[in-house]
Amino acid sequence: SAVISQKPSRDICQRGTSLTIQCQVDSQVTMMFWYRQQPGQSLTLIATANQGSEATYESGFVIDKFPISRPNLTFSTLTVSNMSPEDSSIYLCSVGQGRDEQFFGPGTRLTVL
Amino acid sequence: QKEVEQNSGPLSVPEGAIASLNCTYSDRVSQSFFWYRQYSGKSPELIMSIYSNGDKEDGRFTAQLNKASQYVSLLIRDSQPSDSATYLCAVSLNTGFQKLVFGTGTRLLVSP
Repeated sequence: SAVISQKPSRDICQRGTSLTIQCQVDSQVTMMFWYRQQPGQSLTLIATANQGSEATYESGFVIDKFPISRPNLTFSTLTVSNMSPEDSSIYLCSVGQGRDEQFFGPGTRLTVL
Repeated sequence: QKEVEQNSGPLSVPEGAIASLNCTYSDRVSQSFFWYRQYSGKSPELIMSIYSNGDKEDGRFTAQLNKASQYVSLLIRDSQPSDSATYLCAVSLNTGFQKLVFGTGTRLLVSP
């Protein structure tokens, strides 16, 4: 499976600010995904990011709040904008490979004060 | 109705026993089914994929799929304390975009 890295691994931010999370893959992949995992909860898909097209957002998530870039087949960013304490969560990127399989990066632990 | 349901646990088993984890899903046309293991503070790790009815074995892990009953399970034989983790069931929604829906996970505790 692909090797996936995320930056930063964790951050503490002030409310009202924005944070951009980077996801880097060691091989070219078509499908990349961004998830949120709130404390003690399961994974919730934020959006699907294909290279060369606009990201597809899930219900409850909007581009103004979570803009996503996918400039090439090995990289994507997720920005969490105008943050509030409710945005405190772990943000995970994943890549799609094989038959619907997804492999996850190590995650970014975000705390908003 | 939740799309993917799991018992949150914790499921406690002694070392050496068989741990049985269960998952039901609501979308009848789902085609792909996965089990992920997540240690505390870590990201999910794919441990099993299953696509057709029946059993699939990989080492100490066996995944079982019954599409008619919309049921998928994971058996862990000879459970070890290192198996203590949360196990997430995930199902592909068959949209062609590899979207997965995750259950809430079952916490497994293996006692020495």
